[in-house]
Amino acid sequence: DAGVTQSPTHLIKTRGQQVTLRCSPKSGHDTVSWYQQALGQGPQFIFQYYEEEERQRGNFPDRFSGHQFPNYSSELNVNALLLGDSALYLCASSYLGGNTEAFFGQGTRLTVV
Amino acid sequence: ELKVEQNPLFLSMQEGKNYTIYCNYSTTSDRLYWYRQDPGKSLESLFVLLSNGAVKQEGRLMASLDTKARLSTLHITAAVHDLSATYFCAVDMEETSGSRLTFGEGTQLTVNP
Repeated sequence: DAGVTQSPTHLIKTRGQQVTLRCSPKSGHDTVSWYQQALGQGPQFIFQYYEEEERQRGNFPDRFSGHQFPNYSSELNVNALLLGDSALYLCASSYLGGNTEAFFGQGTRLTVV
Repeated sequence: ELKVEQNPLFLSMQEGKNYTIYCNYSTTSDRLYWYRQDPGKSLESLFVLLSNGAVKQEGRLMASLDTKARLSTLHITAAVHDLSATYFCAVDMEETSGSRLTFGEGTQLTVNP
């Protein structure tokens, strides 16, 4: 089992551009959550996808959007990038119906210049 | 709004010493997680505490949960340099595990020879 995999691992974008990050959940998991971790802070919940729909959302602007595919993989899209969007983006997968913990991917380091 | 507070935020200790990191949270939850994060890396799961009074130990680390006091502790025994990292506690807001985690700010631990 490869666990939770994210791509790419690092990314540099220019302010105003758009970016797409990808996540494949752990085998057997059906729920994907995305977190943003700014330098020196704890991760902050962006949103969660289950059954191809956004199930919950944190306090992030509409520039942040996502998608979940039938195979449970997910994408995070950020439009009109700001310098403040520079962060480590973490994907976590879990199984909604069970009493299990979330497993985190290795993250994507996004730098906006 | 759920708040999770850790203290101390920075901890410098000598090898061989003992210390405790505290995690307080502001709402009822029976699920609390401890993670370790090395610089530039993702989150490594240390402990999952799923009920009041839960205590788990792994090596030199022991975690406990008091849901009535809304307090979890991470106790370090006879610290070694390899334990140097940032430690996060996270509280699960949802009834189903792993759904939506609220993290503390993290405790940056440095163990000196």
